[in-house]
Amino acid sequence: QSVLTQPPSASGTPGQRVTISCSGSSTNIGSYPVSWYQQLPGTAPKVLIFTNSQRPSGVPDRFSASKSGTSASLAISGLQSADEADYYCSAWDDSLYGYAFGTGTQVTVL
Amino acid sequence: QLQQSGPGLVKPSQTLSITCAISGDSVSTMSASWSWIRQSPSRGLEWLGRTYYRTKWNTDYAVSVRSRITITPDTPKNQVSLHLMSVTPDDTAVYYCARVSSSGYHFDPWGQGTLVTVSS
Repeated sequence: QSVLTQPPSASGTPGQRVTISCSGSSTNIGSYPVSWYQQLPGTAPKVLIFTNSQRPSGVPDRFSASKSGTSASLAISGLQSADEADYYCSAWDDSLYGYAFGTGTQVTVL
Repeated sequence: QLQQSGPGLVKPSQTLSITCAISGDSVSTMSASWSWIRQSPSRGLEWLGRTYYRTKWNTDYAVSVRSRITITPDTPKNQVSLHLMSVTPDDTAVYYCARVSSSGYHFDPWGQGTLVTVSS
């Protein structure tokens, strides 16, 4: 049902770089800022990235993101065990006249 | 900070109601909107709707729940409430309230979440 598509899983060993994609369309990512959320087990999502590539204070610079056209991506460099979580992208969608969320990506640290 | 409260169990066909108490901000601020989002294994994260004040109160609702949802502000108590009518087991989910700044399109902060189970 989600209009933003993410890979269901991603993994890496400690210290590696992991990238998560978020594919949308002209009515959402193509027209509006993208945000990314980290959800640790049993907790509410927390904003990781806003306005395509901005990090809130307190978010390590190991997390970075970009947007191009109707797609966006989140990169986690120097992967740590604490990064094991679910990650979601989000953007406003004109066709829904509402916010859309990605399908979510579970990151596993091997 | 957003603090949610509400029952964890609702019977089918009844109304689900959850309250989100706001601290450190005002529900009637013209610099933000207040959204409700739910999360379930079958639906993932789903935005349900929002309310915001811009000289008058406004609401927007997701098409999927538009016929059954009401989001209401309570200015004296500085809180916002979600009411979802005629619930079915498919409405079983964790429900979150969240703030969106008028200068951005991201949710921050989020309430702690309320697990609501629809069952007889």
